[in-house]
Amino acid sequence: AQSVTQPDIHITVSEGASLELRCNYSYGATPYLFWYVQSPGQGLQLLLKYFSGDTLVQGIKGFEAEFKRSQSSFNLRKPSVHWSDAAEYFCAVGAGYGGATNKLIFGTGTLLAVQP
Amino acid sequence: NAGVTQTPKFQVLKTGQSMTLQCAQDMNHEYMSWYRQDPGMGLRLIHYSVGAGITDQGEVPNGYNVSRSTTEDFPLRLLSAAPSQTSVYFCAVGVQGSSYNSPLHFGNGTRLTVT
Repeated sequence: AQSVTQPDIHITVSEGASLELRCNYSYGATPYLFWYVQSPGQGLQLLLKYFSGDTLVQGIKGFEAEFKRSQSSFNLRKPSVHWSDAAEYFCAVGAGYGGATNKLIFGTGTLLAVQP
Repeated sequence: NAGVTQTPKFQVLKTGQSMTLQCAQDMNHEYMSWYRQDPGMGLRLIHYSVGAGITDQGEVPNGYNVSRSTTEDFPLRLLSAAPSQTSVYFCAVGVQGSSYNSPLHFGNGTRLTVT
């Protein structure tokens, strides 16, 4: 069965430091992969997505992620974190079949805190 | 353009009560779905719909009913609420079969407490 693992429940970084959030997935075929961000009291907003092609994808707010098939990973990175990046981040894999590719399986999330 | 609207924002129920969580979209998207979010468990798919008159179960459908009579609305019904249904519920909407080209759009959630 498809699954997503985010091994880090909580991460704290200093403002200006680099960031990497880990995501591992389990999926039999080429996956659709996504990173979403959730600010407190809000819904989820798409940061970036991968389906095929270039394994390094760029997203909004200066985020990027790299798809590594050999490691079944899709880690999210940002070179310099801003205080406004404090939020919860979710990795997801598209698990649909029969055309229902909208079905997403989410990881348990990583809560990012940013220290001044 | 409101996008995805969920009502109510907050709700407290007693065990055994029933209620309907509303989700309305003005994006004319075929795909609508309900997720619940619980601490340490991420988001789990409850039910989804690929168009009016078509619904299917997700990962955690027990205790919930849905119907889809129009493109715009996808209500989630709790017939007899249980404390285990205390959660934050999200409605997500997208173009059918095209999550890559058109991402899921999420509402702001309904926080439900069952006592």
